[in-house]
Formats: sequence, structure tokens, C-alpha cells
Amino acid sequence: AQTVTQSQPEMSVQEAETVTLSCTYDTSESDYYLFWYKQPPSRQMILVIRQEAYKQQNATENRFSVNFQKAAKSFSLKISDSQLGDAAMYFCAYKKVNYGGATNKLIFGTGTLLAVQP
Amino acid sequence: NAGVTQTPKFRILKIGQSMTLQCTQDMNHNYMYWYRQDPGMGLKLIYYSVGAGITDKGEVPNGYNVSRSTTEDFPLRLELAAPSQTSVYFCASSYSGETEAFFGQGTRLTVV
Repeated sequence: AQTVTQSQPEMSVQEAETVTLSCTYDTSESDYYLFWYKQPPSRQMILVIRQEAYKQQNATENRFSVNFQKAAKSFSLKISDSQLGDAAMYFCAYKKVNYGGATNKLIFGTGTLLAVQP
Repeated sequence: NAGVTQTPKFRILKIGQSMTLQCTQDMNHNYMYWYRQDPGMGLKLIYYSVGAGITDKGEVPNGYNVSRSTTEDFPLRLELAAPSQTSVYFCASSYSGETEAFFGQGTRLTVV
């Protein structure tokens, strides 16, 4: 069974600094997707970034980028120039590629609570 | 754009009561999902649907039922509420099995 592990329950970063959130996963599949979701106090789950496993290039969305190491099954999120609005719970998630018509569920890690200090 | 809308946002139920959590999306997505989030945990899939009239169980379906009579709506029914069902419930939708899911704002349910 696939699992997602986030080993950092809490992290803290100074405003304008850079922080990296860790995520590892376990799967025997070769095709899958990885996601980072942000959950602010409002509870809304917001997609931050997405990575397809077949792509070697790391995904980037403005100040957010990932370091995807497929062999090591590692998928870390780097937040550059941290802002107060980045404070939230961040979830790493995995999804197997669907070939057969039925969907595959998102498998979530337990989350990392990020605090941004002014 | 409304996206995924869940109602209610908060609810307190007594043990043994029943209720329906409503979820509707206006993005014409085929796939819809119900997740629950327990404190300090990630989300776990309760039920999902790949289209109107088609539903299937996720990881933690016991105590819940769903229906999907239209593309837009995917209600989650709790029968005989139990304290173990105290959680935050999220509805989500996606265009396909490969595209990202969009989430509603969640329903915080407390069973006392």
C-alpha cells in the first residue's frame, strides 16, 4: 500500500526567508502524481503545486518549488521569500495514475504546520 | 466562481441522530469525493463517485452513505451518528482521475 510521510509536525520561518518542508512516500508504482496542499486556518484546502512522476523537471509556481527525487521517493516543498500569508498546515499527497477508468484516491501525509515569524 | 460548496459549515449532532452533508460543484466535474480529517491527521477518503449514478467506497466508508443523482451534487449521509464520526468533512471534485482535486471549505461535525 502507498504511504506518505511528513516527518516535520511543525516548522517555523522568518518572514522573507526560505523554508523547506519534507515529504517521503512509498510506492511500487512508476506513474503517479504528487501534490502539495495548503490548509490555512479557514480550513480551505488549496492546491499549491503538482508534480507528475514522469517529468524530471521540478515543478515551480512563483515562490513555491519542489525538489522531486524519484529514486529516493522524496518530494520536498521549498517556499522562498516567506510571507505571513504562507502560515498554514501543508499536506503532501500522492495519487496513482489511473489507467482503468476508476479514480485513485489522494493519499495524504499527516501535515506540517508552518509558522511565519514577522 | 463558486467551485465546491458544502453546507453546513458547522453542526452538532446527538448520538444516534442522522444528517446529510450537502456538496455541490459548478465546474461540471465528473469525479467527486468525500474525505474526513481527524485532528493531527491527513484526509482519508470515505466515498467517491466517477459520475452520476456511480459511487464506490473509499478507505473509511462505515457509517456513511452517498448518492450521485446529478453531476453537480454528491450528498453524504450519516446514519446513527457516533462520537467516532466527530471530524471535519471535506467534499472535493476533479475533472478526471488525473487532474487535481478542488476542495470545499469543510464541515466541522461534532457528535455528542
